[in-house]
Amino acid sequence: SQTIHQWPATLVQPVGSPLSLECTVEGTSNPNLYWYRQAAGRGLQLLFYSVGIGQISSEVPQNLSASRPQDRQFILSSKKLLLSDSGFYLCAWSRGETQYFGPGTRLLVL
Amino acid sequence: GEDVEQSLFLSVREGDSSVINCTYTDSSSTYLYWYKQEPGAGLQLLTYIFSNMDMKQDQRLTVLLNKKDKHLSLRIADTQTGDSAIYFCAESIDGNKLVFGAGTILRVKS
Repeated sequence: SQTIHQWPATLVQPVGSPLSLECTVEGTSNPNLYWYRQAAGRGLQLLFYSVGIGQISSEVPQNLSASRPQDRQFILSSKKLLLSDSGFYLCAWSRGETQYFGPGTRLLVL
Repeated sequence: GEDVEQSLFLSVREGDSSVINCTYTDSSSTYLYWYKQEPGAGLQLLTYIFSNMDMKQDQRLTVLLNKKDKHLSLRIADTQTGDSAIYFCAESIDGNKLVFGAGTILRVKS
């Protein structure tokens, strides 16, 4: 069966510091991968998605970037965090029409 | 553009049925989804329906789709306190992306 991992689970970072969030998927190959942000515990905003290694599509202009160095690894990064980057970051994978979500990383920027 | 709307909040008594409603705008959506999010956790896929279906039943869950009105509903029979969560409706677009509603908070009173 497939599983999706995210780490860290929780992160507190100062404004201006860098960020690296990691997502890995097990039990499948060549999945589509997604990063979402959920602000204030409610709606989800798609940030990036990837259909293959090195292929990244950005959905909204922002302070963040994504990379996919390996087939089942998706990384969300920032060089300098802003206060507005605080939120709950969710990674998801799909093969076909259905997306499956990881447990999320809660990021607080102070 | 694509838009998915849900009511903000629903409160029911334990044992009653819950009905969560959703409207969407993209008539070309092939699949529509219901996800559940418990506090501090990622999204759990509850069920989904293909756009050429009117109804899908899965144990206590019944999904109704009115494609003409672009209206989707989730009925939970015999609602339990463990059903308290945020429920997200989502529509698929472009095969790779999901557009989510803002979520409906379901509160179950014992």
